Amino acid sequence: ETGVTQSPTHLIKTRGQQVTLRCSSQSGHNTVSWYQQALGQGPQFIFQYYREEENGRGNFPPRFSGLQFPNYSSELNVNALELDDSALYLCASSLKGPAGGRRNEQFFGPGTRLTVL
Amino acid sequence: DQQVKQNSPSLSVQEGRISILNCDYTNSMFDYFLWYKKYPAEGPTFLISISSIKDKNEDGRFTVFLNKSAKHLSLHIVPSQPGDSAVYFCAASFYNYGQNFVFGPGTRLSVLP
Repeated sequence: ETGVTQSPTHLIKTRGQQVTLRCSSQSGHNTVSWYQQALGQGPQFIFQYYREEENGRGNFPPRFSGLQFPNYSSELNVNALELDDSALYLCASSLKGPAGGRRNEQFFGPGTRLTVL
Repeated sequence: DQQVKQNSPSLSVQEGRISILNCDYTNSMFDYFLWYKKYPAEGPTFLISISSIKDKNEDGRFTVFLNKSAKHLSLHIVPSQPGDSAVYFCAASFYNYGQNFVFGPGTRLSVLP
């Protein structure tokens, strides 16, 4: 059973550029959530994808967008990068059951460290 | 406005003693709470959870206590080991929020040999 993997590990971009981060979910998981962790803070929920559709979104602007693929891997895209976007971006996968099913813990990847200059 | 607070940024404990990490929340809708542990260069790993219908959950050396009236939970680690040194995040969720969590800012625990 492989865990959650993310690529790249580190990334440096300049303000105004666009970036794509990738995540492979843990085997058997069908749900992917993305979090932003700024320095000294806890992870902040960006959005979640379930069966290739967005299934909940945090307080992030539309320039943060995502995709989930049929194999449940996912991408996070950020357009028009700003300096404050510098953070660790974490992907977490989980197995979502039927509607009303119990909540399961999320399994996190190691993250992608994004630096915006 | 932080809905989940961990007011101690850091904590140092002697090996073998008890570590107590605290967490407070403001949203009374939260009904499910978790603790995650994070080592440097790794993602957070799940440690223990508790539903609001309980006031205690125990798993080996780790026990989480929930005081709903005070909107407070704590994580007890007994006995503390040097390998427990990490950043601990408290997280909360409520049913309509799906499987997504509101995290606190974390507490860095150092267990001294």
